[in-house]
Amino acid sequence: GEDVEQSLFLSVREGDSSVINCTYTDSSSTYLYWYKQEPGAGLQLLTYIFSNMDMKQDQRLTVLLNKKDKHLSLRIADTQTGDSAIYFCAESITGGGNKLTFGTGTQLKVEL
Amino acid sequence: DTGVSQNPRHKITKRGQNVTFRCDPISEHNRLYWYRQTLGQGPEFLTYFQNEAQLEKSRLLSDRFSAERPKGSFSTLEIQRTEQGDSAMYLCASSLGQGFPEQYFGPGTRLTVT
Repeated sequence: GEDVEQSLFLSVREGDSSVINCTYTDSSSTYLYWYKQEPGAGLQLLTYIFSNMDMKQDQRLTVLLNKKDKHLSLRIADTQTGDSAIYFCAESITGGGNKLTFGTGTQLKVEL
Repeated sequence: DTGVSQNPRHKITKRGQNVTFRCDPISEHNRLYWYRQTLGQGPEFLTYFQNEAQLEKSRLLSDRFSAERPKGSFSTLEIQRTEQGDSAMYLCASSLGQGFPEQYFGPGTRLTVT
């Protein structure tokens, strides 16, 4: 079955890099995603990576995928207070209609 | 393009009442998804549509839940005989369809059952 796990909490200082980690169990993942959720809001798609890639960079965001270990990470460079939010990783499975299976989310707190 | 919209944003209802939520996807998006999110958890898949066809339903979607997308545009999610355990955020998302992995979410409808 599908299972996605994340650590619950991460605290960083403004200007530092943040690294949020995620592990998944299903080897037939097609895409892996990172979403951001601010309090009381819906989910904002940050980035996604195709499962045959190992890295994707988009401005301050770098996604690393280790398919052998089923490990996904999101690095945010120069973290700002506006980055404080809950970050969810998610996977979609081949042939699954692209429905998403989410982790429990990592709360990122950025301190001055 | 105004993004995915959902109405109402908040709904408070008494146990046993029926409620209906609406989702308007991004224009020209063929796929529409419903998810449910409880406090402290990630969203869980409920069901999805390709145009007007409902292609998959999660086992989370009990008989009290029904979803429609009659003309392949907006969708409704109805919960009959609500229970306190139905209290959650109901999220809608849309995508262009097969081969397009980007899935965009609406702001959600927060349901509170008293």
